[in-house]
Amino acid sequence: QSALTQPPSASGSPGQSVTISCTGTSSDVGGYNYVSWYQQHPGKAPKLMIFEVSQRPSGVPDRFSGSKSGNTASLTVSGLQAEDEADYYCSSYAGSNNFGVFGGGTKLTVL
Amino acid sequence: QLQLQESGPGLVKPSETLSLTCTVSGGSISSYFWSWIRQPPGKGLEWIGSIYYSGSTYYNPSLKSRATISQDTSKKQFSLKLTSVTAADTAVYYCARRGGYPHAFDMWGQGTMVTVSS
Repeated sequence: QSALTQPPSASGSPGQSVTISCTGTSSDVGGYNYVSWYQQHPGKAPKLMIFEVSQRPSGVPDRFSGSKSGNTASLTVSGLQAEDEADYYCSSYAGSNNFGVFGGGTKLTVL
Repeated sequence: QLQLQESGPGLVKPSETLSLTCTVSGGSISSYFWSWIRQPPGKGLEWIGSIYYSGSTYYNPSLKSRATISQDTSKKQFSLKLTSVTAADTAVYYCARRGGYPHAFDMWGQGTMVTVSS
């Protein structure tokens, strides 16, 4: 059982927006603004898409955005494209003894 | 450009020790946390532990008693040892850099599959 809870699947049509949630506790998501999101295509390593809740690394399209409210963080993908179809994982810092608790992952399907 | 490459046996027997090494190239090993993360087949990611370039180590509480991370800065390598493995330790093992962006794993190796089986 993963520390953070994500829906197993999400879907949307090209051009639409989809939001993926990530629920933790006050000890992780709710306690720090250090939520990150990763995209993973089949057979590939994860790729950092969002850090510090809502910041995008260099090179990540601005179609990807993040937010947080209380113990729940969210990733929104706007203007869905075929290449966005992948698994998405959230992660949160949970203190000096736990650098990275992960969610179970959400499979995003572009219809 | 920074690259990370995992190496080590792909098959380990139950009760034995899993040993992997990550080699960093194209960049500095200083001022970052170097981490191991694993992913069982068809499942999610699990942080195993991290080592700071100064040598301080941090472990997932659920694995702390079995995992040891060390480094050889002269070779730009860091290593994972996981003792007393079982089939539940079968996974793709990734090495990753933490700290290029605050509290995020921003660079990853391609991963190496390790199967625990007799």
